This record gives sequence, structure tokens and C-alpha cells, in this order.
Amino acid sequence: AQTVTQSQPEMSVQEAETVTLSCTYDTSESDYYLFWYKQPPSRQMILVIRQEAYKQQNATENRFSVNFQKAAKSFSLKISDSQLGDAAMYFCAYRGTSGTYKYIFGTGTRLKVLA
Amino acid sequence: DSGVTQTPKHLITATGQRVTLRCSPRSGDLSVYWYQQSLDQGLQFLIQYYNGEERAKGNILERFSAQQFPDLHSELNLSSLELGDSALYFCASSVASVPLYEQYFGPGTRLTVT
Repeated sequence: AQTVTQSQPEMSVQEAETVTLSCTYDTSESDYYLFWYKQPPSRQMILVIRQEAYKQQNATENRFSVNFQKAAKSFSLKISDSQLGDAAMYFCAYRGTSGTYKYIFGTGTRLKVLA
Repeated sequence: DSGVTQTPKHLITATGQRVTLRCSPRSGDLSVYWYQQSLDQGLQFLIQYYNGEERAKGNILERFSAQQFPDLHSELNLSSLELGDSALYFCASSVASVPLYEQYFGPGTRLTVT
């Protein structure tokens, strides 16, 4: 069975600095999708970025980028120029290409942004 | 706004009771997923429907059931409620039941069992 692990329960970053959130996963599938979701205090789940496993190029979305290491099964999120609005829970999620296509979520990393 | 709506936003009920959570997917989406998020935890997949039919079950208790209606809205029924059922319940929808298409999450229903 697939698993997703986020080993950092909480992280802090100074405003305007860069922070990296870690995520590792385990799967026997060769093709899959990885996601980072942001959950602010409102509890809405907001998609931050997605990565297709068949793509070697790391995904980027404005200040958000990933470091996808397929062999190591690692998928970290880098947030550049951190802003106060980035403070939230961040969840890493995996989605396979067989079966139900359900998401498998990690336990999350709480990011605090210090002014 | 994701386009997915969930009602009610909040629900407070007593142990042993039964409640129904409702989800309306985005226009055009055929697939609906239900997730449970307990306090400070990740989301746990409960069940998936595609175009009215159950497609997959996850960690869903026998006391819980769901269905998707012809107009594609879905309901999650929780019965014989226990304190441990208190959680945020999310519905998500996607165009089709294939991994290419992203899931869009509703705002969630917060269930409190007292």
C-alpha cells in the first residue's frame, strides 16, 4: 500500500525568507501524481502545486516550487519570499494511476511565518 | 471558491444520533469523493462515487454510508454517532474517475458529537 510521510510537524520561517517542507512516499507504481495542498485556518483545501511522476522537470508555480526525486521517492516543497499569508498547514498527497485514484495524504506540516 | 458546495457548514449532535451531510459537485464533474479529517490529522479517504455508482471504499465504517443521486449530488450518512466521529468531513469532485483530473475540495462540514 502507498504511504506518504511528512516528518516535520511544524516549521517556522521569517517573512521574505525561503523554507523547504519535506515529503517522502512509498509506492510500487511507476506512474503517479503528487500534490501539495495548503489548508489555512479557514480549513479550505487549496491546491498549491502538482507534479506528474513521468515528468522529470520540477513543477513551479510563482513562489512555490518542488524538488521531485523519483528514485529517492522524495517530494519537497520550497516556498520563496515567504509571506504572512503562507502561514497554514501544508499537506503532501499522492495519487496513483490504478484503482480508485483516491488521494493519500500525509499528516501535514504547520508553517508559521514570522514578521 | 472551488465550485463544490457542502451543507451544513457546522453540525452539533449527540452520541447515538444520525446525520446526513450533503455535497454538490462542480458543474460537469461526475466523480465525488468523501474524506474525513480528524483534529490536526491528514485526510482519510472514505468513499468514491462516479456517475451514481460506488467506485471504491476506503476507511469507511459500517455505520457510515453514502450515495450519489441522478443529479450528481451526494450524501454521506453517519449513524450511531460516537465521540470519535467528530471531525471535518470534506467532499471533493473531479471531472472523471481518472488520475489526470484534479480533485476540487468543498469547504467541509464540521461535525461535533457531544
